[in-house]
Amino acid sequence: DADVTQTPRNRITKTGKRIMLECSQTKGHDRMYWYRQDPGLGLRLIYYSFDVKDINKGEISDGYSVSRQAQAKFSLSLESAIPNQTALYFCATSDPAEGLPQHFGDGTRLSIL
Amino acid sequence: QKEVEQNSGPLSVPEGAIASLNCTYSDRGSQSFFWYRQYSGKSPELIMFIYSNGDKEDGRFTAQLNKASQYVSLLIRDSQPSDSATYLCAVRGYGQNFVFGPGTRLSVLP
Repeated sequence: DADVTQTPRNRITKTGKRIMLECSQTKGHDRMYWYRQDPGLGLRLIYYSFDVKDINKGEISDGYSVSRQAQAKFSLSLESAIPNQTALYFCATSDPAEGLPQHFGDGTRLSIL
Repeated sequence: QKEVEQNSGPLSVPEGAIASLNCTYSDRGSQSFFWYRQYSGKSPELIMFIYSNGDKEDGRFTAQLNKASQYVSLLIRDSQPSDSATYLCAVRGYGQNFVFGPGTRLSVLP
């Protein structure tokens, strides 16, 4: 089984819909991250969390929200999806000793029509 | 806005040659530097990190850092077709400010 699991792997939905992307990890890491990847723009940080009670906005948090339900679970929500949120989304984890996102999930490809 | 820049490529090299991937960054306070490899449709994978000026070697990979000139590079010796991927440079400043570049697509031709 994968250490970092993202669900769903693919999603097509319509503008205005609420969407939740889920991430779970078995690595026991405190730190979890959500990134989006767009062609030519690399990975951009949406939100990150250093523990269940510590959630921080990243570079592009507008239009997104997150929930850290447990150490192992970190969900990303789009309350009202818009087409320019079409992207590849990655969840990642790290431990404090590593200090960088190193363990990535397989990604969720999200298309908003 | 702290920036990390890379040539998007594609960079094409023949099998067995040295591939040289470059990255420049704008924040002089940047502390540490990372290279990730990302195969098409897959997630990024950390392959190298470097903290000090100079070279760091790991197998066929060498990372080079020049803080005065604000660039970091990745050399891949004896390039193989399996090295064909997008290589992402990432830079960390103070705290948790961690910025990825857009990536350079490398194609190693048999």
